[in-house]
Amino acid sequence: QVQLVQSGAEVKRPGASLKVSCKAFGYTFTSYDINWVRQATGQGLEWMGWINPNSGDTGYAQKFQGRVTMTRNTSINTVYMELSSLRSEDTAMYYCARSLGVVPDQFDPWGQGTLVTVSS
Amino acid sequence: DIQMAQSPSSLSASVGDRVTITCQASQDISNYLNWYQQKPGKAPKLLIFDASILETGVPSRFSGSGSGTDFTFTISSLQPEDVATYYCQKYDNFPSITFGQGTRLEIK
Repeated sequence: QVQLVQSGAEVKRPGASLKVSCKAFGYTFTSYDINWVRQATGQGLEWMGWINPNSGDTGYAQKFQGRVTMTRNTSINTVYMELSSLRSEDTAMYYCARSLGVVPDQFDPWGQGTLVTVSS
Repeated sequence: DIQMAQSPSSLSASVGDRVTITCQASQDISNYLNWYQQKPGKAPKLLIFDASILETGVPSRFSGSGSGTDFTFTISSLQPEDVATYYCQKYDNFPSITFGQGTRLEIK
C-alpha cells in the first residue's frame, strides 16, 4: 500500500544541522510532490515546503527560506529535508506527506514522523 | 498571507451528539480547504478535501461544507473513536499552505 517511512529520532546541539529522510512505497515516486510539516509538542501543524521528486523543484515557506533544503534520490525513492542552524525552537515532530495535485493541496498519506530534539 | 481562524479550540461532547467546527479564512479561498484528524501520538489523517469531498474509507458521519471564507466540519453522531484534534488546512496556487490552530475534541 502507499506508505511513507521516515528516519529515526534525532538529538542535535544548537547550531547543528539536521537531515531527515522519507522513503516512499507503493506508488510511482516521481508522480507526486512530497511536503514537510512540523509540529512542536502540544502545538499545531506548520508547513515547511515541498519538493517535486521528478524535477527536483522545491518551494519553501518564507519562515524557513535560507535554512531548509529539500532534495531527493530517485534511485531509492527517498526525499530528504535538511534544516541548518538549529535552535531549541526547532524541537518538534517532523512529518513528510504526499500531495496529489499540481500544487501542494491535500496531504495523503503522511509519514510516521521523526522526533527531533535540539538541546545543549 | 491568508490566515485561518479555527474555532473552538477545544470541545467536549457526548456520544451521539452532533459536533461542528468552523474555519474562517481571511480572504476568499474558493473551496481550497481540507480537514484532518490527528489522534494522540499519530500522524494526521485526511478526512475531507476540497471543502466537502469525503476521502475514501472515511465514515459518512463526517462531512464538510462551505466556500469562500467560511467553512464547517461536522460529525453527525459523535463516536468514542472520534476523540482527536481536528485541523483545517487551506492551499492555493502560490503555493502556500496554512493550517488552522486545531480543535481538541473530547468525550463528555
